[in-house]
Amino acid sequence: NAGVMQNPRHLVRRRGQEARLRCSPMKGHSHVYWYRQLPEEGLKFMVYLQKENIIDESGMPKERFSAEFPKEGPSILRIQQVVRGDSAAYFCASSQRSAMETQYFGPGTRLLVL
Amino acid sequence: QQQVKQSPQSLIVQKGGISIINCAYENTAFDYFPWYQQFPGKGPALLIAIRPDVSEKKEGRFTISFNKSAKQFSLHIMDSQPGDSATYFCAASIQGSNYKLTFGKGTLLTVNP
Repeated sequence: NAGVMQNPRHLVRRRGQEARLRCSPMKGHSHVYWYRQLPEEGLKFMVYLQKENIIDESGMPKERFSAEFPKEGPSILRIQQVVRGDSAAYFCASSQRSAMETQYFGPGTRLLVL
Repeated sequence: QQQVKQSPQSLIVQKGGISIINCAYENTAFDYFPWYQQFPGKGPALLIAIRPDVSEKKEGRFTISFNKSAKQFSLHIMDSQPGDSATYFCAASIQGSNYKLTFGKGTLLTVNP
């Protein structure tokens, strides 16, 4: 059973460009979570999604950031008009049947904004 | 603001020694306390977790000690091995929002051979 997959693993963008981060949850998992890890910081919750629904986006910046988890395909975290402060590692996690279950993390996408 | 404070920032231990990492929290509504292990270039992996109805949980060489009154919990790694060298994160979450983990800043553990 393949783990959580994220791509790309590394992404370089110039200020003002858009960044798209993809996350494929573990097979059979329908709950997805995104976290951001700034340098020398712990992970911070951003958003929780189920298929086609955003359940909790309380940790996501109100502007420039959006997330989706369509019926088909991976979950996508989109950052528009990136700034240098967006440089971080973005981790996706998934759980199977409910948000009460263990979250399994992907390897992360390292975003560098020049 | 919900916070979990973790110490030390880094730790060096000799092979066979005991590694101890401490965390303190502020929000008394936290009721789930997991520890994650992260190797370079990888995502965090759940190591062990505890709820406040017990004071200690042991799984192999890893033990969580929990002190509810002091709002502190710690990870003990017995007989530390070089393969344990990684970054360890404590975390906490609130009942009903267990998905929303609040992480400490992490401890970089180095176990020397």
